[in-house]
Amino acid sequence: GNSVTQMEGPVTLSEEAFLTINCTYTATGYPSLFWYVQYPGEGLQLLLKATKADDKGSNKGFEATYRKETTSFHLEKGSVQVSDSAVYFCALTTSGTYKYIFGTGTRLKVLA
Amino acid sequence: DGGITQSPKYLFRKEGQNVTLSCEQNLNHDAMYWYRQDPGQGLRLIYYSQIVNDFQKGDIAEGYSVSREKKESFPLTVTSAQKNPTAFYLCASSIQGLGYGYTFGSGTRLTVV
Repeated sequence: GNSVTQMEGPVTLSEEAFLTINCTYTATGYPSLFWYVQYPGEGLQLLLKATKADDKGSNKGFEATYRKETTSFHLEKGSVQVSDSAVYFCALTTSGTYKYIFGTGTRLKVLA
Repeated sequence: DGGITQSPKYLFRKEGQNVTLSCEQNLNHDAMYWYRQDPGQGLRLIYYSQIVNDFQKGDIAEGYSVSREKKESFPLTVTSAQKNPTAFYLCASSIQGLGYGYTFGSGTRLTVV
């Protein structure tokens, strides 16, 4: 079946450090891929997405590239801020279904 | 502005009680979902509905029930049969087609007292 695997957290970085959160997937067909962010006590917000191979999603300085050859969708940011502290979820969906598969989430903590 | 509203934000349940969590959206989305979130376990799908008057069980439907009488509304009832209901519950909606993603509500935290 379809699945998403994320690196375990927490990830602790200093402000202005480079961020990478790894995400790999297993899926039949051609999935669409997403990153969501969850701030404490809130719901999830869509951060970025990519719908086909080699697409790059980007938003608020975050980027992720849909790599079909490595089945990956790693999240990156060149310079993190304290306000980026949150839990990040990788997710996928495939054609013919409304259902999304989520990873277990990676907590990011950025220190001033 | 369009969005999803979940209420209440915090809910306390006594042992043996049923409680209902509200989820309303004004986005004109066809599909709606309920997820449960526990620490370290990510999101688990409870129920989902693609159209009015129709819904399907997700991965952990036991002890829960839903209805979809209106396109805008998808309430979740946590019954006394759910043995460990303390969790954060998230409602989401989406439109048809890949690539659009979910819109989430702000969640309801349910605690058994």
